[in-house]
Amino acid sequence: AQTVTQSQPEMSVQEAETVTLSCTYDTSESDYYLFWYKQPPSRQMILVIRQEAYKQQNATENRFSVNFQKAAKSFSLKISDSQLGDAAMYFCAYRSKNDYKLSFGAGTTVTVRA
Amino acid sequence: DTAVSQTPKYLVTQMGNDKSIKCEQNLGHDTMYWYKQDSKKFLKIMFSYNNKELIINETVPNRFSPKSPDKAHLNLHINSLELGDSAVYFCASSQRRTSSGANVLTFGAGSRLTVL
Repeated sequence: AQTVTQSQPEMSVQEAETVTLSCTYDTSESDYYLFWYKQPPSRQMILVIRQEAYKQQNATENRFSVNFQKAAKSFSLKISDSQLGDAAMYFCAYRSKNDYKLSFGAGTTVTVRA
Repeated sequence: DTAVSQTPKYLVTQMGNDKSIKCEQNLGHDTMYWYKQDSKKFLKIMFSYNNKELIINETVPNRFSPKSPDKAHLNLHINSLELGDSAVYFCASSQRRTSSGANVLTFGAGSRLTVL
């Protein structure tokens, strides 16, 4: 079974600064997908960014970027120029290419200080 | 236009009661899911249907019964509610095969169930 580990329960960042959230996963497969979802206090789950394992290039979405290290099974999320609206819980998630199931990590709560 | 809508958003009920949560998606997706988020915010899949066929059935008490009348709807019925069933239940949908292959899940806003 695949497991996703987020080792940082909480992170705090000053507005306009950068914060990096860590995620590691365990899998024996070579083809899979990785995601970061954001859950603000409204509790809506919002896709932030996704990465296909077969792509070596790291995905970026505006101020959000990932550092995908396939050999190390690491998938960290960097939030640049942090804004107050970035305050939320962030979940790392894994899906095998041939599976429907999305497995989530325990989440990291990000607080943005004004 | 809400892509994945769940009703009700909040549900407070007594132990032993039976309740249902409804979910509808207007994205034309062929796969729908129920996830449970517990008090520690941990998200765990419960069920998934692809074109009305059950494809994922995790270790969930048989008091929980999903029903998919068509591929746009997936309802969750819970019998004999227990205190431990209190959680937020998320419905989600995705398209199994896409050009990107990523099969991204789109989530509903969640239904908070409180069992007293």
